[in-house]
Amino acid sequence: DGGITQSPKYLFRKEGQNVTLSCEQNLNHDAMYWYRQDPGQGLRLIYYSQIVNDFQKGDIAEGYSVSREKKESFPLTVTSAQKNPTAFYLCASTGEGYFNEQFFGPGTRLTVL
Amino acid sequence: KNQVEQSPQSLIILEGKNCTLQCNYTVSPFSNLRWYKQDTGRGPVSLTIMTFSENTKSNGRYTATLDADTKQSSLHITASQLSDSASYICVVRVSNSGYALNFGKGTSLLVTP
Repeated sequence: DGGITQSPKYLFRKEGQNVTLSCEQNLNHDAMYWYRQDPGQGLRLIYYSQIVNDFQKGDIAEGYSVSREKKESFPLTVTSAQKNPTAFYLCASTGEGYFNEQFFGPGTRLTVL
Repeated sequence: KNQVEQSPQSLIILEGKNCTLQCNYTVSPFSNLRWYKQDTGRGPVSLTIMTFSENTKSNGRYTATLDADTKQSSLHITASQLSDSASYICVVRVSNSGYALNFGKGTSLLVTP
């Protein structure tokens, strides 16, 4: 089945620790995205990548880092510099075309203890 | 200021009843508008996409409308089912290069027996 996978589904982290969230897609999409979702708020863009080895900051990139070494993979690292990291994180990808739909992964819920 | 406003913020209806969710946007230039359904703890899934020239589009019991002149869209759900309980997110795409999506905060719908 084609799609986007995120792992793990639930993640617990102690304050001061870095943690990496995995995102893999087999849709052959060039563009990939990371969003953060908090209760009562819309999705907010953290980082996006339109091509391998290139990525751009979104609206809330501070305290996060990404890499795009392979087309299929776009991992997100939540660093200790992120002051309020507890949230639901969604990865998405988009194919080519005028009406290109964003396909979302199932999400990772990160809780900082 | 969010350029995509959704109302109501939350809604409770009885199973079998109809409901209408609203989306007003100010983003420009307009490219297309999508409605997504997001089940709790899951990633959003696209329901419909509408372009400038389309007024109405249906997907089963979901019917979306678009008035590009007034920059308003609605999502009508007919004969609601318990499985319709979810958050419904309006996403407007602008016509430019790079990242071009604007997300509403969503309407949380609860369908009760």
